[in-house]
Amino acid sequence: DTEVTQTPKHLVMGMTNKKSLKCEQHMGHRAMYWYKQKAKKPPELMFVYSYEKLSINESVPSRFSPECPNSSLLNLHLHALQPEDSALYLCASSQVRVSDGYTFGSGTRLTVV
Amino acid sequence: AQSVTQPDIHITVSEGASLELRCNYSYGATPYLFWYVQSPGQGLQLLLKYFSGDTLVQGIKGFEAEFKRSQSSFNLRKPSVHWSDAAEYFCAVGAPSNNNDMRFGAGTRLTVKP
Repeated sequence: DTEVTQTPKHLVMGMTNKKSLKCEQHMGHRAMYWYKQKAKKPPELMFVYSYEKLSINESVPSRFSPECPNSSLLNLHLHALQPEDSALYLCASSQVRVSDGYTFGSGTRLTVV
Repeated sequence: AQSVTQPDIHITVSEGASLELRCNYSYGATPYLFWYVQSPGQGLQLLLKYFSGDTLVQGIKGFEAEFKRSQSSFNLRKPSVHWSDAAEYFCAVGAPSNNNDMRFGAGTRLTVKP
């Protein structure tokens, strides 16, 4: 299995809702990432987990809460989001050393209304 | 910290023509370098990578890239473009001294004319 699977593919949520994005990989990768991508922009790093521990948090607002329950799963919990948080959220995984590059999922298109 | 610049926001080429997308990086030593492609609404797919050895690297879909240390560049090339190559292309740089920190360039959008 050489894929990163993200669910759901599309999500519309209100500003008072709580929702979660899910990401799964079975490649034995021990590093997993959340990126946010706005239209016509490059992906921006949000969080990095290495060996199931949070290693990088790029000053992301607390309304985004990551979780890594095990080496194959990565969640992003969303609460009280703003319309400007609407974006494509990409999950990626890699070997711990970045020299092999990342494998990306196809993303979750999030719209906050 | 490392950084990467893609000078061209948008490039248009005719189908069958050759292609070169530019990428310049900033890093004190030899970085890890990557090219990714993204179709609309999709994730990113790795085209090729470089971290040591032969400076001309071959990738998928007929793409290649050449690492030039003297110019701090890692340009992507393809001898003959197909209509299906129309997409957004991102150059990315990783630092061997800082695992798990990869930075993307702003991207180059490729349009292919019939």
